[in-house]
Amino acid sequence: DADVTQTPRNRITKTGKRIMLECSQTKGHDRMYWYRQDPGLGLRLIYYSFDVKDINKGEISDGYSVSRQAQAKFSLSLESAIPNQTALYFCATSGTSGIVDTQYFGPGTRLTVL
Amino acid sequence: GQQLNQSPQSMFIQEGEDVSMNCTSSSIFNTWLWYKQDPGEGPVLLIALYKAGELTSNGRLTAQFGITRKDSFLNISASIPSDVGIYFCAGQRSIDKLIFGTGTRLQVFP
Repeated sequence: DADVTQTPRNRITKTGKRIMLECSQTKGHDRMYWYRQDPGLGLRLIYYSFDVKDINKGEISDGYSVSRQAQAKFSLSLESAIPNQTALYFCATSGTSGIVDTQYFGPGTRLTVL
Repeated sequence: GQQLNQSPQSMFIQEGEDVSMNCTSSSIFNTWLWYKQDPGEGPVLLIALYKAGELTSNGRLTAQFGITRKDSFLNISASIPSDVGIYFCAGQRSIDKLIFGTGTRLQVFP
């Protein structure tokens, strides 16, 4: 079984709808992240959480919110989706491995907002 | 927000050729990482570099942490079809988050 899972894998929705993307991990890591990937822009950080009581904004948090329901679960919400939020979304987890904060990524959720 | 500049944006090479790509930043990093993303998958860590000047290999892959701490290079020798994918560099200053490069898309032809 995959260590980091994301649901759904694909979603098509309409402008104005509320959408939740879910992420679960079995690695026992404290840190979890949500990224957005757009063609030619690489991955950009939306939100991150270092433990259940810690939530931090990344560089592009506007229009998004998150919830850390448990150590293993970190969900991303779009309260009112808009077309420019069409992108590939990745969840990642990390735990210290030596001196580097190695991040492990889920398979991604492809979101299309019409 | 800051992003790292990666070049080239894309490469089309023949199987067996060597590949070089690099990543530059206007500011320094303490750690450089290289990831590969296969189609339909999330990025997977290839190599991690911890100090300036460090040269590290992982099979046919070799990466270097630039002396200025503002750049990093990845080389792939004797490319094979399964090397196809998008390669991302990432820089880290402290133990909080990564800054990713814009990616290099690699296509290998038999």
